[in-house]
Amino acid sequence: QSVLTQPPSVSAAPGQKVTISCSGSSSNIGNNYVSWYQQLPGTAPKLLIYDNNKRPSGIPDRFSGSKSGTSATLGITGLQTGDEADYYCGTWDSSLSASVFGTGTKVTVL
Amino acid sequence: QVQLVQSGAEVKKPGASVKVSCKASGYTFTGYYMHWVRQAPGQGLEWMGRINPNSGGTNYAQKFQGRVTMTRDTSISTAYMELSRLRSDDTAVYYCARDLTAAGLLFDYWGQGTLVTVSS
Repeated sequence: QSVLTQPPSVSAAPGQKVTISCSGSSSNIGNNYVSWYQQLPGTAPKLLIYDNNKRPSGIPDRFSGSKSGTSATLGITGLQTGDEADYYCGTWDSSLSASVFGTGTKVTVL
Repeated sequence: QVQLVQSGAEVKKPGASVKVSCKASGYTFTGYYMHWVRQAPGQGLEWMGRINPNSGGTNYAQKFQGRVTMTRDTSISTAYMELSRLRSDDTAVYYCARDLTAAGLLFDYWGQGTLVTVSS
């Protein structure tokens, strides 16, 4: 059972915006940076956002991240069919002394 | 360029052990922690543990304590994850991932994954 909670699915039409929430606690999100990963079908996860809101080289600015208290949010604007994937948040949990991931959110482009 | 190349798919019987390898290239192997993450069919990501390739020190998720062993061979820049006493619910894709921060916060490169199937 994951300690980080995400909605199972979100959807929107092409060109629209979606946001994905990631809820945790003071032992994880509240006191550590959050990363976000995109997992396209049949492939390994790919780093999308790190340090709450930074994008690695090559990640378009349509993807954004934010954090407030014990929650984090991933935003995707200008939704494209290629964005259909599973998205996971991740961080370190100081109480568990373990890396933890969110439950995952499937993004569907209508 | 950084690459993590994992060993091929495995089929094991319940009670057996499996050892998955992860060969790193394109960077200094001993400079970054290596983590192992697994994903059961249709399920989410599950952290298993990490190894410091420089010292060999390890940290394991409580769930896998006593069943998992992570090692490395610095001469060939390869990390290993061995899981023993396999059960059917260990059937999953196993990934290695490089940790850029040494704090379990940021996995910037992932292996392609190794499917381990446990079946009698």
